[in-house]
Amino acid sequence: EPEVTQTPSHQVTQMGQEVILRCVPISNHLYFYWYRQILGQKVEFLVSFYNNEISEKSEIFDDQFSVERPDGSNFTLKIRSTKLEDSAMYFCASRPRAGGLYEQYFGPGTRLTVT
Amino acid sequence: DQQVKQNSPSLSVQEGRISILNCDYTNSMFDYFLWYKKYPAEGPTFLISISSIKDKNEDGRFTVFLNKSAKHLSLHIVPSQPGDSAVYFCAASTGPHQGGKLIFGQGTELSVKP
Repeated sequence: EPEVTQTPSHQVTQMGQEVILRCVPISNHLYFYWYRQILGQKVEFLVSFYNNEISEKSEIFDDQFSVERPDGSNFTLKIRSTKLEDSAMYFCASRPRAGGLYEQYFGPGTRLTVT
Repeated sequence: DQQVKQNSPSLSVQEGRISILNCDYTNSMFDYFLWYKKYPAEGPTFLISISSIKDKNEDGRFTVFLNKSAKHLSLHIVPSQPGDSAVYFCAASTGPHQGGKLIFGQGTELSVKP
């Protein structure tokens, strides 16, 4: 069964450094998302991406964040200058079609630790 | 901004009995609701969903009920099995509006005891 994959599984970085989190969504999916979950808190929406552009972003998704789909398979989240409060699990998700059902399928996550 | 709430952080049931997980929402624009199951160190796994035009959807042992007037939904698991032990998240979407983002509740940790 097709799956969303994410790399790396764990990323440790120093405050102020840039990180890129990578995702390979399910191949015939059209919508792509990033969410994060800070330890002990709820899963929070960051950004949605469709047709090679951002369709919505949350207040969390400020100028330090960017997303890209550089080729037909990868979907990346970049944090330009990490802060301690960016430490969280980051989940990529994808959705199969533009209308109809809205189930999103999640990857296993990348644990980002900012020191 | 607590648009989706799961007021019970944990629930414990005996194997074979029914598990009922509850979720409340405040935004009347939500038109699609989903339940996800999550194990530690894994991503959320989609379980079952329901459109706002329905009041019930069943898939095997899992049934989701939606009460729009009360802005309440529940997930029933019958019979509960030890492998069902996980954190269950309720999520809501406004559908095609705003890219279909999901708004999650805080989660309920279900423990099914043999």
